[in-house]
Amino acid sequence: AQKVTQAQTEISVVEKEDVTLDCVYETRDTTYYLFWYKQPPSGELVFLIRRNSFDEQNEISGRYSWNFQKSTSSFNFTITASQVVDSAVYFCALSTLNQGGKLIFGQGTELSVKP
Amino acid sequence: DVKVTQSSRYLVKRTGEKVFLECVQDMDHENMFWYRQDPGLGLRLIYFSYDVKMKEKGDIPEGYSVSREKKERFSLILESASTNQTSMYLCASSSTGIWETQYFGPGTRLLVL
Repeated sequence: AQKVTQAQTEISVVEKEDVTLDCVYETRDTTYYLFWYKQPPSGELVFLIRRNSFDEQNEISGRYSWNFQKSTSSFNFTITASQVVDSAVYFCALSTLNQGGKLIFGQGTELSVKP
Repeated sequence: DVKVTQSSRYLVKRTGEKVFLECVQDMDHENMFWYRQDPGLGLRLIYFSYDVKMKEKGDIPEGYSVSREKKERFSLILESASTNQTSMYLCASSSTGIWETQYFGPGTRLLVL
């Protein structure tokens, strides 16, 4: 079975704090992709990153970083020095060959950054 | 930049009405998708299409149909709207290949009374 679990339903931090959003996935496929999307209050899902199963290199983009660990089936997302504009719902998603590339989403984590 | 647009941001309809939700993308993408998003249930795939005039059922197709007459346009149809179809509807598109990133539109919040 393919599944994505985001155990943190809601997180609240104060501006400038670092925050990590957890994502754990399940799949028996050896070839898959993982994604993170951001959904601000306006509603549109904004693509943040895509990572394939053969590339375990961590990624850093400005204040955002991603830690992919196949050994623990996790793809965690860290925001450094959070800002109020980071307040949003963040979704982790999985795409596998057996699912024909369809996205399987986690439940989402609602991040609230307070000034 | 990829641009996916949806015909309405907010829509109010009555039970039993036929409802059309339109989605247009301007990046010549082959693949298009319709999702609904509900609190506590996340995003669920309703229908998708890998080519013009082609459609595939997603995880929750009951009560919906789709139409793809042109490559850039993918319509979701509620044949007879019901209150349990009140939801946020999101359209997405991606280029050829099952691994390509899906880009989403702004969503349509549908309220069925």
